[in-house]
Amino acid sequence: ETGVTQTPRHLVMGMTNKKSLKCEQHLGHNAMYWYKQSAKKPLELMFVYSLEERVENNSVPSRFSPECPNSSHLFLHLHTLQPEDSALYLCASSPGQGYYNEQFFGPGTRLTVL
Amino acid sequence: AQSVTQPDIHITVSEGASLELRCNYSYGATPYLFWYVQSPGQGLQLLLKYFSGDTLVQGIKGFEAEFKRSQSSFNLRKPSVHWSDAAEYFCAVGRTGRSGGGADGLTFGKGTHLIIQP
Repeated sequence: ETGVTQTPRHLVMGMTNKKSLKCEQHLGHNAMYWYKQSAKKPLELMFVYSLEERVENNSVPSRFSPECPNSSHLFLHLHTLQPEDSALYLCASSPGQGYYNEQFFGPGTRLTVL
Repeated sequence: AQSVTQPDIHITVSEGASLELRCNYSYGATPYLFWYVQSPGQGLQLLLKYFSGDTLVQGIKGFEAEFKRSQSSFNLRKPSVHWSDAAEYFCAVGRTGRSGGGADGLTFGKGTHLIIQP
């Protein structure tokens, strides 16, 4: 595997379910990100991790819970979601922290909440 | 706070014609600017970036962009488009985190959907 991978690519869940999204980067980067991409809205930054430490939580509801066990893996745990949470969730990584760093994106997980 | 405006939601261009996609940004300091492309079902791929220096930057796939500080713009251009260029294009500005430093995300525009006519 190369670059940034995300699993699953598609997920359908009910409002009472608990699921997790997984992201893995094979680039040796130190920073990882979760973005939400909804129709007709700009990409929204959700969480930022640098060296496994969360450095930003962009006012995301608590039903989204990130986890970064090491610099190569990032998870997004989901519970009691709402239909408006249906979106494409993109993971990205960058060599280090700092807004000048190019970010490399995974293909995303298409989430549908019923 | 930073913001990015892409005024064109959709643009239709004939194959072989030139292309310009507009991007305006709002940022208090020297911006770090990016253009990304997203094909259907794919993640975002970086086309080019501007940090400093020459205001005309070259990217992949024959794209270029020009930074104009006086107009707060970073427009993307290509002299001759190919059918494979049909995709969603996003302009983004590097943003500082709320802590004032540390790992930072990008602020994106809403995107421009490019349609190529044969």
